[in-house]
Amino acid sequence: DAGITQSPRHKVTETGTPVTLRCHQTENHRYMYWYRQDPGHGLRLIHYSYGVKDTDKGEVSDGYSVSRSKTEDFLLTLESATSSQTSVYFCAIGGATDTQYFGPGTRLTVL
Amino acid sequence: GENVEQHPSTLSVQEGDSAVIKCTYSDSASNYFPWYKQELGKGPQLIIDIRSNVGEKKDQRIAVTLNKTAKHFSLHITETQPEDSAVYFCAASPNNDMRFGAGTRLTVKP
Repeated sequence: DAGITQSPRHKVTETGTPVTLRCHQTENHRYMYWYRQDPGHGLRLIHYSYGVKDTDKGEVSDGYSVSRSKTEDFLLTLESATSSQTSVYFCAIGGATDTQYFGPGTRLTVL
Repeated sequence: GENVEQHPSTLSVQEGDSAVIKCTYSDSASNYFPWYKQELGKGPQLIIDIRSNVGEKKDQRIAVTLNKTAKHFSLHITETQPEDSAVYFCAASPNNDMRFGAGTRLTVKP
């Protein structure tokens, strides 16, 4: 595996609570991505970053925010979690028109 | 934005047979087409990719073909083995917003 870790790996939370997921890379890649994976939808891009403090929205960004203060860390925040945000979240590094390497995923359940 | 459709959603083959998964895309600006394999409980892993200036690419038992005119591309796995059982995703990327197909669950029966 490329040097990508995600934390936590599993989380159960309640509706309305804030949640932050962390992605950490040791590959010094400029680009980092957050995807969510749901049955029947494949992977959908939430947000991506093309450098420290440089981020942009993806296909399903509503309800999510991101931050990147260091090259190695990309944080995904759900300000007020909803049941529709129950999903498996994957971080990836690499170029959009080049190989992307995925982390092991975080399974989030919002009750 | 780009829209990627993938078929079939499930595929079952006997060990040793070939498997073919097909994808179509909508954005003619897409120029990079990767295929990912995802095993249970793991993140997707790239198995092969093709760029728009190439019509076919092969890597041992795996091959990908691209028809830019028809906007479709296919994954071919020959001499399938039980360890090929997984979910496979195609994707198309015109820019920073890579779009994935919904996935194909491949089962190889011994």
